[in-house]
Amino acid sequence: EPEVTQTPSHQVTQMGQEVILRCVPISNHLYFYWYRQILGQKVEFLVSFYNNEISEKSEIFDDQFSVERPDGSNFTLKIRSTKLEDSAMYFCASSEKDLGTGGYTFGSGTRLTVV
Amino acid sequence: ILNVEQSPQSLHVQEGDSTNFTCSFPSSNFYALHWYRWETAKSPEALFVMTLNGDEKKKGRISATLNTKEGYSYLYIKGSQPEDSATYLCALHTGGFKTIFGAGTRLFVKA
Repeated sequence: EPEVTQTPSHQVTQMGQEVILRCVPISNHLYFYWYRQILGQKVEFLVSFYNNEISEKSEIFDDQFSVERPDGSNFTLKIRSTKLEDSAMYFCASSEKDLGTGGYTFGSGTRLTVV
Repeated sequence: ILNVEQSPQSLHVQEGDSTNFTCSFPSSNFYALHWYRWETAKSPEALFVMTLNGDEKKKGRISATLNTKEGYSYLYIKGSQPEDSATYLCALHTGGFKTIFGAGTRLFVKA
């Protein structure tokens, strides 16, 4: 069964450093997403990407964050100047159809620890 | 700010018990309601996407119902098995390109 692949599975970074989280969505999916879950909190939306551009972003997704789909297969989340509060599990997801019709296929997540 | 509530927060049942839990959401701006099963150390897996009031969907021993007028969905598991132990998440789609997740119900099934 097709999978969404995320790398690395765990990343530890120093506060103030930049990190890039990588994802390979399912090849025939059209919609791409990043979500995160801070320990003990709900899964929260960061950004969605459709038709080669950001389709929606949350208030969390400020200038510190950016996404790219550079080569038609990878989908990356860059976090500049990381803060302690960025520590979370980051999930990439993709969907074949819009969310009124189909659900997400999630990757297994990247646990980001900012020290 | 839209809020999606799930209850109970956790649930302990014996193998063979049937169980159910609730997802509550504001009924305005409803587009769809998703259910996911999230096993420890794995990624959330889609169970159902529900859109119509009165909808009922079934996948094996798991089924779900939807009431969009009063803003709730029930998830039922018939004859729980240890492998059903997981966190069950619901997520509300109100249009656009995102969903709002509840905090989940953590189910423990004891053999």
